[in-house]
Amino acid sequence: AQKITQTQPGMFVQEKEAVTLDCTYDTSDQSYGLFWYKQPSSGEMIFLIYQGSYDEQNATEGRYSLNFQKARKSANLVISASQLGDSAMYFCAMREGWDTGRRALTFGSGTRLQVQP
Amino acid sequence: GAVVSQHPSWVICKSGTSVKIECRSLDFQATTMFWYRQFPKQSLMLMATSNEGSKATYEQGVEKDKFLINHASLTLSTLTVTSAHPEDSSFYICSAIRTVGGNTIYFGEGSWLTVV
Repeated sequence: AQKITQTQPGMFVQEKEAVTLDCTYDTSDQSYGLFWYKQPSSGEMIFLIYQGSYDEQNATEGRYSLNFQKARKSANLVISASQLGDSAMYFCAMREGWDTGRRALTFGSGTRLQVQP
Repeated sequence: GAVVSQHPSWVICKSGTSVKIECRSLDFQATTMFWYRQFPKQSLMLMATSNEGSKATYEQGVEKDKFLINHASLTLSTLTVTSAHPEDSSFYICSAIRTVGGNTIYFGEGSWLTVV
């Protein structure tokens, strides 16, 4: 089974509008972390936001917020006030077993976001 | 500035030759580093976990003899693609964990490998 599922291969959004990128995950661990990364065409992985499994509040970082619904195992990224520079690939990732040392990230298939003027 | 540096950023090599990619943590010690591979328009796939002072742990389906990983110091891990073939052309990216102050993950800039 897929650990991380991103069902939107591509998304379009008008500049200045908000957009939600979907992510669902699958784990039996109680302790895990969820991440979102932005990857522009240069290839670098830019960290956007993190949500721990025990965090009760949804994470926010500037224009980025994470809609964490633990019971549904979803961790959607919301980008508010989209900018042209937001056009990139976006990856959802999970790190399981935080306390046990299994610390590699597992990535979803990604969503290509295109912001239109 | 980058806290994990990867070199080279771009490399072109001939089929049958070997190429080495370095991943260096600049201001922290990393006992564990990870190597990922990314084909065009695909996701990052974990290749192996690099452990300082011990053998790397490879993911299923990754050839150990082809992708040699060495983590000889607390700040440097290297990935050597041996006897490269055109199908090895890909984007390779490393990450390292800084455990001091929390398990923060840092990625290198990535390396584009083209085998001709």
